[in-house]
Amino acid sequence: DGGITQSPKYLFRKEGQNVTLSCEQNLNHDAMYWYRQDPGQGLRLIYYSQIVNDFQKGDIAEGYSVSREKKESFPLTVTSAQKNPTAFYLCASSIGTGVNTEAFFGQGTRLTVV
Amino acid sequence: GENVEQHPSTLSVQEGDSAVIKCTYSDSASNYFPWYKQELGKRPQLIIDIRSNVGEKKDQRIAVTLNKTAKHFSLHITETQPEDSAVYFCAAAIPNFGNEKLTFGTGTRLTIIP
Repeated sequence: DGGITQSPKYLFRKEGQNVTLSCEQNLNHDAMYWYRQDPGQGLRLIYYSQIVNDFQKGDIAEGYSVSREKKESFPLTVTSAQKNPTAFYLCASSIGTGVNTEAFFGQGTRLTVV
Repeated sequence: GENVEQHPSTLSVQEGDSAVIKCTYSDSASNYFPWYKQELGKRPQLIIDIRSNVGEKKDQRIAVTLNKTAKHFSLHITETQPEDSAVYFCAAAIPNFGNEKLTFGTGTRLTIIP
């Protein structure tokens, strides 16, 4: 279904703990993205990566970290430094190094801090 | 950086009527403007896009118009149907030598009234 998979679908974290969200794609896309979706705020870019072993901060990178060791994988770590981590997180990928192409989204991970 | 504003945040229309969603962008260098539809509980999916060398694009009941001078673009849905109910996001991208990124609007929740 779309070739991009996020796991888990729901995630609960205790305050002060780091947690890693998985994103895998089998579309052979070079570019991958992480967005955060909050009610009334649209999709805000956390990090993006255009090629393996390289990534760029988006608009709200503080408190998050990523890695891109493999083309098909772009995990996102929500650290304890993120002040308000409860949100819906969406991963996406696109075919090349320009965004003049379609972005394919995963089904999302809903993170709740308890 | 780019800033995209989207209006209205909510929109209700009678089935069969037309719906219009408007977005403005801040950076005149933006050259790619996609629209995504997110149905309840599902991932966003591209429904139509337009590039800066085109003023209008149609695909069956949906159309997008672009006014580069005024820096705004709009989504038009005609003959609305219940399955058009969803959240719609506009986005804009600035070309940046392989480091382009999409900036999204805050979304419009469209409800079609039967």
